[in-house]
Amino acid sequence: GQQVMQIPQYQHVQEGEDFTTYCNSSTTLSNIQWYKQRPGGHPVFLIQLVKSGEVKKQKRLTFQFGEAKKNSSLHITATQTTDVGTYFCAGPGYGGATNKLIFGTGTLLAVQP
Amino acid sequence: KAGVTQTPRYLIKTRGQQVTLSCSPISGHRSVSWYQQTPGQGLQFLFEYFSETQRNKGNFPGRFSGRQFSNSRSEMNVSTLELGDSALYLCASSLAGGQGNEKLLFGSGTQLSVL
Repeated sequence: GQQVMQIPQYQHVQEGEDFTTYCNSSTTLSNIQWYKQRPGGHPVFLIQLVKSGEVKKQKRLTFQFGEAKKNSSLHITATQTTDVGTYFCAGPGYGGATNKLIFGTGTLLAVQP
Repeated sequence: KAGVTQTPRYLIKTRGQQVTLSCSPISGHRSVSWYQQTPGQGLQFLFEYFSETQRNKGNFPGRFSGRQFSNSRSEMNVSTLELGDSALYLCASSLAGGQGNEKLLFGSGTQLSVL
């Protein structure tokens, strides 16, 4: 079945270091979305990428969508303690008219002050 | 604008019981999706409803069911609870969906513990 994998599963960094999480889909995606879930919280939408090779930035966060539209990455520059949480990528699940999303396995980011 | 509201926030049940969870989407949103989140399996899609019709269903046993009302509010039911059903159940709403290209707005979830 359709799968979305993320690496690494967990990363621990010192505050100020950079962080990157990678997302790989078993199928080509029409778009990819990224969500952040703080400990004890719920997933919150960050961004959506649609075009092949697209790059979008939100302050210290840089999102990329691969040329083949099967992979994506999220890079955080100079991490802060507020960046702590699990980052998920998600792509549409095939199956006709539906808003089903397949979520990646997630990357848990821990930031040490 | 009020967010997605899920009730109850916490629930403790015993094996064999059944449970009903409720979700009120953002006003104007017609698509409601349900996800199960566990440490081992991550976020797993349960089902999605749009205009009172189930549009898609994940790979869960028939003990998991849901419905959507005319005001877009949704409920999910789990019958004959098992220990493995312990999880955070998340509801998410979107405007209309259709091609998996709309962002999901999640509620705070219902933490279900089965003893």
